[in-house]
Amino acid sequence: SYELTQPPSVSVSPGQTARITCSGDALPKKYAYWYQQKSGQAPVLVIYEDSKRPSGIPERFSGSSSGTMATLTISGAQVEDEADYYCYSTDSSGNHRGGVVFGGGTKLTVL
Amino acid sequence: QVQLQESGPGLVKPSETLSLTCTVSGGSISSYYWSWIRQPPGKGLEWIGYIYYSGSTNYNPSLKSRVTISVDTSKNQFSLKLSSVTAADTAVYYCARVMVTMVRGVKAGYYYYMDVWGKGTTVTVSS
Repeated sequence: SYELTQPPSVSVSPGQTARITCSGDALPKKYAYWYQQKSGQAPVLVIYEDSKRPSGIPERFSGSSSGTMATLTISGAQVEDEADYYCYSTDSSGNHRGGVVFGGGTKLTVL
Repeated sequence: QVQLQESGPGLVKPSETLSLTCTVSGGSISSYYWSWIRQPPGKGLEWIGYIYYSGSTNYNPSLKSRVTISVDTSKNQFSLKLSSVTAADTAVYYCARVMVTMVRGVKAGYYYYMDVWGKGTTVTVSS
């Protein structure tokens, strides 16, 4: 089955730039999406189609993709950005048309 | 503004069927896809499946043999049934609206992604 791989954790100090990566063999041909999940809350979409930001998401959140890796960048990370972040994309295993898959998640610590 | 609310038993016995309902308010269930996602305690998100308002479905292959998602447009609701549950099915269950976009270019294709989520409901499988 298709997998998206993320680092378990990333840590930065307030004001620094946080980068969270997501690797997947199909990412050169498929868009990545990013969800933020704060403790005890439902996920929120922060990036779609690799680099687009939904309305209401701060400009410090940006996304990019190159080759088999997508990256979520938080420029000038703030304490309130501390959360789990999940990448998401289409299941490209070839056996399941229309399926979707989440990465394992990355815990971002800002302190 | 569309809102989603999950409802159903918080405790299910092993081997029984887990049943949850998602009520959509502030908008119509028609013309959209709708999804269920779950999250075991301390673990990541797992997509369960989605349904179009017309009734067509797509399930996670790892759960397909036990999952049924259905829709009731007259009640603006969709539902999840997961049979033969075990402790491994203990999780927070979320319902969500699915956006579908068709993209041309290098990354051409149809994309399904969740844009509005319910708050989630905890289901524990235990005797």
